[in-house]
Amino acid sequence: ILNVEQSPQSLHVQEGDSTNFTCSFPSSNFYALHWYRWETAKSPEALFVMTLNGDEKKKGRISATLNTKEGYSYLYIKGSQPEDSATYLCAFELSGNNRLAFGKGNQVVVIP
Amino acid sequence: DAGVIQSPRHEVTEMGQEVTLRCKPISGHDYLFWYRQTMMRGLELLIYFNNNVPIDDSGMPEDRFSAKMPNASFSTLKIQPSEPRDSAVYFCASSPEGSYEQYFGPGTRLTVT
Repeated sequence: ILNVEQSPQSLHVQEGDSTNFTCSFPSSNFYALHWYRWETAKSPEALFVMTLNGDEKKKGRISATLNTKEGYSYLYIKGSQPEDSATYLCAFELSGNNRLAFGKGNQVVVIP
Repeated sequence: DAGVIQSPRHEVTEMGQEVTLRCKPISGHDYLFWYRQTMMRGLELLIYFNNNVPIDDSGMPEDRFSAKMPNASFSTLKIQPSEPRDSAVYFCASSPEGSYEQYFGPGTRLTVT
């Protein structure tokens, strides 16, 4: 069983504030780290895929970093907006076998 | 493209009944995945197929669960007999060869009473 931990489980953020949360994963046999965004009543949608230690990806106000040696990734939201409210899922891919092990998600609620 | 299509969107059934969930992947995608989402365990991979062949079914909880992919455009997940603990949202996802991204369907919310 691959242990993918996300913290905090949920957080409330004031509109305009920035926030970040963590995904930790096994550091051995690393292939890729995925972030998905999951809005209520919708399906998860891919945000980022990172494969190299030190990778940084950015999409609008959301960015992510990757440390494969110590087994963690950070997701950052800059200047949170109500439309950022969602659950952010992290998934670890082992050795390119297409099998993703998901964390339980970081549930973000942005308060107007 | 219409995206990954799942049916039904909601299913309510009584314990002991057979349940069949259906998925149509995005055309041209070689991989198809079945996931189950519960509060307790989060999103878990049940089984996945590559070119219609089951590759890894180690996530299938028990013999009551079976999945098939008779062709590139259709897959089923069957539960027989169903039990209340099977209540969950079941997602299907597909991805093309060589891509990291998986594209999720809208899910089927199953309630077994």
